[in-house]
Amino acid sequence: DVKVTQSSRYLVKRTGEKVFLECVQDMDHENMFWYRQDPGLGLRLIYFSYDVKMKEKGDIPEGYSVSREKKERFSLILESASTNQTSMYLCASSWVPGQPYEQYFGPGTRLTVT
Amino acid sequence: TQLLEQSPQFLSIQEGENLTVYCNSSSVFSSLQWYRQEPGEGPVLLVTVVTGGEVKKLKRLTFQFGDARKDSSLHITAAQPGDTGLYLCAGEYPDKLIFGTGTRLQVFP
Repeated sequence: DVKVTQSSRYLVKRTGEKVFLECVQDMDHENMFWYRQDPGLGLRLIYFSYDVKMKEKGDIPEGYSVSREKKERFSLILESASTNQTSMYLCASSWVPGQPYEQYFGPGTRLTVT
Repeated sequence: TQLLEQSPQFLSIQEGENLTVYCNSSSVFSSLQWYRQEPGEGPVLLVTVVTGGEVKKLKRLTFQFGDARKDSSLHITAAQPGDTGLYLCAGEYPDKLIFGTGTRLQVFP
């Protein structure tokens, strides 16, 4: 079974802090994705990566950056956390190179920014 | 902006009832996936449909992809409390998935 793990299930941070969310997958998938999920808005794509050291902006990249130094690890960085970044953050990976087909999700990190 | 509309948004039914969830768009998708998400967890992939008109069955769940590959439906026969969760459809675009806003299903014993 594919396993996607995220570093924290719950996180509380203060406004202005730098926040790191880590995601690791164990199935040698080429592609990795970061989403946020908010009530009424569904899942929105923040960033994705189809190769190591490669990254592409999704639909809502403002206020976020990412890092992919190793194939299995994709990190989401909030440079200066704000209250409107309070959300559920979901990491996913998929196996077909260069395509978003059939994504496998981690359990999510519920981030609260106060 | 591509949109995937799901209906209904909420569904509350008794165990044993049948139900259908719809996923509609004006865009054509390469494939469409259905996921189920339980509270506090990430979505779990249920099925992928690729060909227009395709029907797939997963026990009591039947998934259909529209002939024009713009819409899909999920039918659950004899719903059980274990079917409770958020059902999400996701259409495949060239480089990303577009997710619907979800249908929250509650099945009471």
